Amino acid sequence: DGGITQSPKYLFRKEGQNVTLSCEQNLNHDAMYWYRQDPGQGLRLIYYSQIVNDFQKGDIAEGYSVSREKKESFPLTVTSAQKNPTAFYLCASSTLGNEQFFGPGTRLTVL
Amino acid sequence: AQSVTQLGSHVSVSEGALVLLRCNYSSSVPPYLFWYVQYPNQGLQLLLKYTSAATLVKGINGFEAEFKKSETSFHLTKPSAHMSDAAEYFCAVSEGFQKLVFGTGTRLLVSP
Repeated sequence: DGGITQSPKYLFRKEGQNVTLSCEQNLNHDAMYWYRQDPGQGLRLIYYSQIVNDFQKGDIAEGYSVSREKKESFPLTVTSAQKNPTAFYLCASSTLGNEQFFGPGTRLTVL
Repeated sequence: AQSVTQLGSHVSVSEGALVLLRCNYSSSVPPYLFWYVQYPNQGLQLLLKYTSAATLVKGINGFEAEFKKSETSFHLTKPSAHMSDAAEYFCAVSEGFQKLVFGTGTRLLVSP
């Protein structure tokens, strides 16, 4: 089955720790995206990448980092610099010029 | 800058009643517009999209939306609500399919 997978589904982190969220797609899409979802705020763009080895900051990139070493993979690291990381994180992908498809999400909770 | 306003964080309807979810957008260029649906603890699924072709767009699950440039609106409708339609719905706008800007969402509640 073609699609987007995100792991883990639930993630717990202690304050001061970095954590990495996985996003993999087998749709052969060029572009990949990371969004953060908070209750009542919709989705906000963290980072996006249109080609391998290149990515751009979105609206709320502070405290996050990404890499795009392979077309299929776009991991997101939530660093200790992110002041309020508890949220639902969604990864998406698309071919250039077409709509985005979303993964099932990872819920991150800081203890 | 692009923006999306969804009026009403919650909309309640009875099963079989008309569903109307409102979306107004702001864009400096002809926009691309989308409606997505999200079920609890899941990702978003595309319902329909407007890409400057027909102004009345039909989507999945019986939903449709009409692009009205004069009103800068893209409201989502369904003639008859089903219990399975209960979910959160997001309107989004983009310029050229990249960098979607989302509204804050509308939760649809369907009562028997």
